Amino acid sequence: GDSVTQMEGPVTLSEEAFLTINCTYTATGYPSLFWYVQYPGEGLQLLLKATKADDKGSNKGFEATYRKETTSFHLEKGSVQVSDSAVYFCALSNNAGNMLTFGGGTRLMVKP
Amino acid sequence: KAGVTQTPRYLIKTRGQQVTLSCSPISGHRSVSWYQQTPGQGLQFLFEYFSETQRNKGNFPGRFSGRQFSNSRSEMNVSTLELGDSALYLCASSGGATDTQYFGPGTRLTVL
Repeated sequence: GDSVTQMEGPVTLSEEAFLTINCTYTATGYPSLFWYVQYPGEGLQLLLKATKADDKGSNKGFEATYRKETTSFHLEKGSVQVSDSAVYFCALSNNAGNMLTFGGGTRLMVKP
Repeated sequence: KAGVTQTPRYLIKTRGQQVTLSCSPISGHRSVSWYQQTPGQGLQFLFEYFSETQRNKGNFPGRFSGRQFSNSRSEMNVSTLELGDSALYLCASSGGATDTQYFGPGTRLTVL
């Protein structure tokens, strides 16, 4: 079946540091790929998405490129802020319905 | 547009009881999906409803059930509660048959 693997956290960075959170997937066909973010005590917020190979999703300074050849969708941000501290989930959708398969989540902690 | 709303936000039950959670999707959205989030198992898909029909189902026992009404609002029911059912239950809605999902804030269920 489909699966998503994320780097384990926590990831601890200083403010303005460069962020990379690795995400790889296993799926048949051509899934859509997503990054969601969860702040403490809240639900998931869609951060960005890509629906086909070589697409780049971007939002609020975050970017991720759909790499089919390496089955990856790594999340990057050039300069993190304290307010980016949260848990980040990589996910894929690969069927006729709306069913997301999630990675285990990566906690990001940004220190001032 | 108002986002996805879930009620109640917090719930405490005892083993053996049953519980019903409610989800109101974004106006115009016809698909509602439910997920269970626990520290040990992460985010797991429960089921999806589209136009009042269950379209996808995850690997959960029959104690977990759901339904969708003609106004797209959805409920999920868990009967004979177990301690392991303690979790954050997230609802997500999407506009089409295969579309980006938007999440509600979740219902935190504690089983004592």
